[in-house]
Amino acid sequence: DSGVTQTPKHLITATGQRVTLRCSPRSGDLSVYWYQQSLDQGLQFLIQYYNGEERAKGNILERFSAQQFPDLHSELNLSSLELGDSALYFCASSGLQGFDTEAFFGQGTRLTVV
Amino acid sequence: GDSVTQMEGPVTLSEEAFLTINCTYTATGYPSLFWYVQYPGEGLQLLLKATKADDKGSNKGFEATYRKETTSFHLEKGSVQVSDSAVYFCALSVTGFQKLVFGTGTRLLVSP
Repeated sequence: DSGVTQTPKHLITATGQRVTLRCSPRSGDLSVYWYQQSLDQGLQFLIQYYNGEERAKGNILERFSAQQFPDLHSELNLSSLELGDSALYFCASSGLQGFDTEAFFGQGTRLTVV
Repeated sequence: GDSVTQMEGPVTLSEEAFLTINCTYTATGYPSLFWYVQYPGEGLQLLLKATKADDKGSNKGFEATYRKETTSFHLEKGSVQVSDSAVYFCALSVTGFQKLVFGTGTRLLVSP
């Protein structure tokens, strides 16, 4: 158990809909990272938050947004969903701003858009 | 830009065989290098890391040496077990940048 909790584990929704994925980082970790894992794109970095502030942005679509709350949990919001958004979405957390220390990954949320 | 290239899989081995999974990288600056492992149905776990040239990371019998001259970080294990069957990801992080760049992953299948 990595200590990072992601909910829900599975999500099936229709095109055009909006969903929210939730991540609770390891106790004490200030950084949260979101990754998308799809068969054709591999693991893609989406966005990072550190102590409530956005710190880095990757290949995140404008239809996607995220935030980190004062209790350090994070949510990834995906809207106007398309079939191509079907993927495994991972959250990771670490204690410092960078990955030079170990990052811990949750088990992921599998999103299926039908 | 920063990138990681690792050998395509699947790699199929018999138990107790020697394992090598190749990984090369391109990076601006001086990256830290990592191997992560993903077991079926689970998230990624850090397997080992190296933060500077000539460092050797090791864990659970796996080893990888940071080779700056060849920009490589190949993963090796002397004797694989069935329980090592998983997907292995090579990754880099450049100091000051807030993300890991992953390779495409290599699936390892070990048969008894």
